[in-house]
Amino acid sequence: GIQVEQSPPDLILQEGANSTLRCNFSDSVNNLQWFHQNPWGQLINLFYIPSGTKQNGRLSATTVATERYSLLYISSSQTTDSGVYFCAVTSRYSGAGSYQLTFGKGTKLSVIP
Amino acid sequence: NAGVMQNPRHLVRRRGQEARLRCSPMKGHSHVYWYRQLPEEGLKFMVYLQKENIIDESGMPKERFSAEFPKEGPSILRIQQVVRGDSAAYFCASSLLAGDYYEQYFGPGTRLTVT
Repeated sequence: GIQVEQSPPDLILQEGANSTLRCNFSDSVNNLQWFHQNPWGQLINLFYIPSGTKQNGRLSATTVATERYSLLYISSSQTTDSGVYFCAVTSRYSGAGSYQLTFGKGTKLSVIP
Repeated sequence: NAGVMQNPRHLVRRRGQEARLRCSPMKGHSHVYWYRQLPEEGLKFMVYLQKENIIDESGMPKERFSAEFPKEGPSILRIQQVVRGDSAAYFCASSLLAGDYYEQYFGPGTRLTVT
């Protein structure tokens, strides 16, 4: 099946700093989503972005589908940004299973004051 | 517009008991997915349901686990005779149409602890 790799696995930032999180995937995708899992365990939808660029406040994301990667940018980080960021994809070629989201292992972000 | 609702948020069961997890999809959504997050293992797909139909249960353990999405009411994930290894966070997601081209919206999860 499709492989999803995220980097870096861990990231520590000073409040106010910017960061870029990367997601590489091994095959063509129909769907790519970014999530934030907060320290309470809730999974928050950030972006649905199988291609192109989107922005939402301090967060933005870019997916280059032809090169099989996506980037999540966090600007002016705040302590509330702490948590784990997941990238998840559905594979274009999985047939009946193409709607299953396959998750990466995540990037654990800690923003310190 | 209410999001995906899951209850209970926390569930404690003794070994051998049954656990029932409920999921109400977003209004207008008829596609429901269940995922499990085991400690140190990441999020994994379990089952995909439409109203009154199981479409794909390839990620479900073969025994003790079942899921349904009746015509009326929430989707239910049922775990019989729970064991300690079932302790995990269980997430439900819903989409407007089949999820390969449509965003899946996740609920807050149910944290199951088996003692």
